[in-house]
Amino acid sequence: AAGVIQSPRHLIKEKRETATLKCYPIPRHDTVYWYQQGPGQDPQFLISFYEKMQSDKGSIPDRFSAQQFSDYHSELNMSSLELGDSALYFCASSLGTRLWGTDTQYFGPGTRLTVL
Amino acid sequence: AQSVTQPDIHITVSEGASLELRCNYSYGATPYLFWYVQSPGQGLQLLLKYFSGDTLVQGIKGFEAEFKRSQSSFNLRKPSVHWSDAAEYFCAVGQIQGAQKLVFGQGTRLTINP
Repeated sequence: AAGVIQSPRHLIKEKRETATLKCYPIPRHDTVYWYQQGPGQDPQFLISFYEKMQSDKGSIPDRFSAQQFSDYHSELNMSSLELGDSALYFCASSLGTRLWGTDTQYFGPGTRLTVL
Repeated sequence: AQSVTQPDIHITVSEGASLELRCNYSYGATPYLFWYVQSPGQGLQLLLKYFSGDTLVQGIKGFEAEFKRSQSSFNLRKPSVHWSDAAEYFCAVGQIQGAQKLVFGQGTRLTINP
């Protein structure tokens, strides 16, 4: 079965540079979530989109922005990178039909961002 | 706001032994509960989920979990672990109704002794 695709899988950047992470949801899924997992930490919710509109927002820095496109893929843009942004960034997708029990989130393999 | 506590940071069991990983949640309404497993350097794989109905939920890889509302718990169990079960296990809670974020516990790292 098709899974969530994230690219790139690994990314190395210098401080103050910008980075763009991409997420391609499971086909027919219309909802995308972004999470950040620091070393030895649990995943922390950043932001989500449903039908190309932002549906929820967590602890996402102002330096980060994201959007969902017409084909439902999403991009997380990160500017003025800091050392503390080094983490594993997960994208998850779900079928956001708003019915009970259908919004199971399926996670991609993650993008490991290293800021030097 | 919802929260999840996994009291055990690290658990070691022998191969073939039984396993129980603890998870306690805090949520005002009916929770939507998940267990995910993460192998080193890998993504999060869904083991099982609970949102209503039978409180004993069966998942993949021989895992099961029991929802106990009175104890606000959703413990994960496996009768006999295999070396390949060594990984990090995360319990998470989400809201029913709509596309909502998941709140994860701190994770429990499982080590298997041969």
